Amino acid sequence: DAGVIQSPRHEVTEMGQEVTLRCKPISGHNSLFWYRQTMMRGLELLIYFNNNVPIDDSGMPEDRFSAKMPNASFSTLKIQPSEPRDSAVYFCASSWTSGSSYEQYFGPGTRLTVT
Amino acid sequence: LAKTTQPISMDSYEGQEVNITCSHNNIATNDYITWYQQFPSQGPRFIIQGYKTKVTNEVASLFIPADRKSSTLSLPRVSLSDTAVYYCLVGDTGRRALTFGSGTRLQVQP
Repeated sequence: DAGVIQSPRHEVTEMGQEVTLRCKPISGHNSLFWYRQTMMRGLELLIYFNNNVPIDDSGMPEDRFSAKMPNASFSTLKIQPSEPRDSAVYFCASSWTSGSSYEQYFGPGTRLTVT
Repeated sequence: LAKTTQPISMDSYEGQEVNITCSHNNIATNDYITWYQQFPSQGPRFIIQGYKTKVTNEVASLFIPADRKSSTLSLPRVSLSDTAVYYCLVGDTGRRALTFGSGTRLQVQP
């Protein structure tokens, strides 16, 4: 398996523009997570899907952020409008949620720079 | 959600055993303890998970005392490639998502 795939790997945009990050989870996994990592705040969970349904979006910073999972093999995280403070590395992770396992597989991340 | 406390950084030399201890005084009965490793410019990678006593895999061992208020990740004979940030997490079984703390930055020197 190719692992979790994220695109783009790098994104540079100007403040006010719309940004869309994409994620393809590992085939067969039923949970998908979006995280954000910055030096100041560390690694933060933004939103978590189970069987394509958003379960916990309490980490989404504000209404400018939205996430969708139209099917089991694709998810997007959209920021509209983007702001410089959104600059961070955004990770997507997937897992097979069963029993007590907390093993998540992370993608390579998308480094977002908003100028 | 149980909070974890671990050292900010540790130094070691190649070939040594490294033990990183994590405190989680408020761990709940159903919580599991999980450790992740993160290299620069990469996403975190699962290392090991346990509930009590000892768990061992090809990468590391995890020691959990009976009161489960702490845990120790043991890396045998580290190499330069083990230089990374190591995160201790306590899993809330009611919430599958992980809460990462600051982690321990391990620096392995030749």
